[in-house]
Amino acid sequence: DAKTTQPTSMDCAEGRAANLPCNHSTISGNEYVYWYRQIHSQGPQYIIHGLKNNETNEMASLIITEDRKSSTLILPHATLRDTAVYYCIVRPYGGATNKLIFGTGTLLAVQP
Amino acid sequence: KAGVTQTPRYLIKTRGQQVTLSCSPISGHRSVSWYQQTPGQGLQFLFEYFSETQRNKGNFPGRFSGRQFSNSRSEMNVSTLELGDSALYLCASNPAGEGNIQYFGAGTRLSVL
Repeated sequence: DAKTTQPTSMDCAEGRAANLPCNHSTISGNEYVYWYRQIHSQGPQYIIHGLKNNETNEMASLIITEDRKSSTLILPHATLRDTAVYYCIVRPYGGATNKLIFGTGTLLAVQP
Repeated sequence: KAGVTQTPRYLIKTRGQQVTLSCSPISGHRSVSWYQQTPGQGLQFLFEYFSETQRNKGNFPGRFSGRQFSNSRSEMNVSTLELGDSALYLCASNPAGEGNIQYFGAGTRLSVL
């Protein structure tokens, strides 16, 4: 699975958009970008995933660059409850295992 | 639909003891994975079960073992506990056809004294 690089921490004002970057320059053609988040003392929560097109769901938007070497997770209107560690994971879709390799993630602190 | 349920939520053991943690996946999910989370090592994959068979294993000593039952419920066991086994143990389940989207439980926090 490709390695990802994320900033250690970011701040965002409540009500503003939070843009979380992820670099995955060694991504392979069959690998998807997945985002999870972990609120303190809870289990990780799936947010969104994508291959090459931009994706949007009720939680967030995912923008993947045309060369697929980086992506940005966008929380359009951050709230205090979005304070969490956000993990960007790159791996094939499906396959013989569901194993996830977590990096260190980005601690997003939403400020009032 | 009920989420992934892990029991117990908290556990205190002493060195040398053994412990068994339980995970009930979301109804209909046949794949269950276990992860260990510590401040120093972060989230690390332990093992994965599918239809009662272990199909992937992380880099952990043989003291860590698991199993899955016919109803997809899973247990993990740690024998001869060490202080370094203190961690949050997370279980995740995955439905077939959803491309590795994992649904995590709240975890079991194990403290080894």
